[in-house]
Amino acid sequence: DIQMTQSPSSLSASVGDRVTITCRASQTIGGYLNWYQQKSGKAPNLLIYAASSLQTGVPSRFSGSGSGTEFTLTISSLQPEDFATYYCQQSSTTPFTFGPGTKVHVK
Amino acid sequence: QLRLVQSGAEVKKPGSSVKVSCTASGGTFSSDAINWVRQAPGHGLEWMGGIIPVFGRVNFPQKFQDRVTMTADESTTTAYMELSSLRSEDTAVYYCARGKTIFGVVHLDSWGQGTLVTVSS
Repeated sequence: DIQMTQSPSSLSASVGDRVTITCRASQTIGGYLNWYQQKSGKAPNLLIYAASSLQTGVPSRFSGSGSGTEFTLTISSLQPEDFATYYCQQSSTTPFTFGPGTKVHVK
Repeated sequence: QLRLVQSGAEVKKPGSSVKVSCTASGGTFSSDAINWVRQAPGHGLEWMGGIIPVFGRVNFPQKFQDRVTMTADESTTTAYMELSSLRSEDTAVYYCARGKTIFGVVHLDSWGQGTLVTVSS
């Protein structure tokens, strides 16, 4: 199975900050990488698919980049509603696997 | 916009089975995979597998091979996930999610609200 790691596991930030989360795969996955946001008690919400494509309805302050084994999710200017946990997920090979998550909390 | 509505919370005894339903409305159902993802309390997301309703084709990880059954009823646009031989470690919120494929990449773009399954004696 492909293992996904994320760094950092948590970060504290303020509104307006630029936030970057890194996701790494244990083997190359091309661009088969998705990002999700999950708020407490809610289902995950798709932000980015295919490494860099913004899902419809997601604000443009979210962006994704990378290919192969290293990927990045960037929030250009953190908003109050962005405090949440973020997960990467590979869909290159089944079983699809998720990263352990990165919790973004208030500084 | 596809909407997925799941069945309600369940409390089960160890060794028993649970069957969770996921009913789709407002979008395509048969040709896209319905995936199942679970999340144990305080933990991350775990993909349990998926089914493409029109083909009845299923795909799930080896760890669930002997315990999970996924089915779909196109007439009611409902997918089902049954997990047997329940143990305490199966206590989790179970989500269904549609797997959409664009640029060849499967991504989970619509999610159910989640079903809490508690396994306790």
